[in-house]
Amino acid sequence: GAVVSQHPSWVICKSGTSVKIECRSLDFQATTMFWYRQFPKQSLMLMATSNEGSKATYEQGVEKDKFLINHASLTLSTLTVTSAHPEDSSFYICSGTAGGGGTDTQYFGPGTRLTVL
Amino acid sequence: EDQVTQSPEALRLQEGESSSLNCSYTVSGLRGLFWYRQDPGKGPEFLFTLYSAGEEKEKERLKATLTKKESFLHITAPKPEDSATYLCAVQAPLTQGGSEKLVFGKGTKLTVNP
Repeated sequence: GAVVSQHPSWVICKSGTSVKIECRSLDFQATTMFWYRQFPKQSLMLMATSNEGSKATYEQGVEKDKFLINHASLTLSTLTVTSAHPEDSSFYICSGTAGGGGTDTQYFGPGTRLTVL
Repeated sequence: EDQVTQSPEALRLQEGESSSLNCSYTVSGLRGLFWYRQDPGKGPEFLFTLYSAGEEKEKERLKATLTKKESFLHITAPKPEDSATYLCAVQAPLTQGGSEKLVFGKGTKLTVNP
C-alpha cells in the first residue's frame, strides 16, 4: 500500500519553456502533498506543501510564480515549472500523506529528473 | 532552526559486518523521526517512524532507536542489497498548521561489498 507515482520520470526541455510534472497517489487519498527538490549529493529540500482544494504554501526562497502547484483532487497534484532555466535542472520528488495532520508518514514518488538545456 | 546531521557521510562495509548510522537532531517539538532508504535515481522508501525516546523498531536486518538528541540505524549482518543512501528526517510543526513538514539530513551512503 501507499504507492505514489510521478510522470514523467524524466524530461528534457529547452530554456524558456514550461514543464508539468504529475504526482498521483494510487492507493490512498492524499489530503496533503509535498514537493521536494534534490540536487546531486544533497538532501531533499522542501519546496511547497499543498492541501487538496487550497493554495500551496511555499518555503522561503521558492518562487510561487515560477513553480505552480495545483492539488485539484485527493489523488493528484501537479507541479509546473514555468520559463525553465538550466539552474532549474534537478530531481523533483513528490510525497503524500493520508491524514490531515499529526505524525503522518510521507510516502514518496519515484521522482522526475528535469534537465533544462 | 531545525537541523538534522547524519554521520558518517559514507560507509563501506563487508558483507556480514554490522555497523550503525547516526542521526543527530535539534528541533523544537519533535513530532516524529523518520528513516528512509533511497536508491540512486529513485524516491525515498519509508522504513521507520519513531516518536519518543527509548522507542525501537526493527525490520529484517535494520533496527532504529531513538534518544532525545539522536537516532541510530543499526544494520546487522548487511548484504550487498542493503547498499543505498539512508535518510533521516524529523517532523516539526508548520507555523501555519496543517500537516507537519519533514526536515531531512544529507544522508549516509552505505556500500556493502560481497
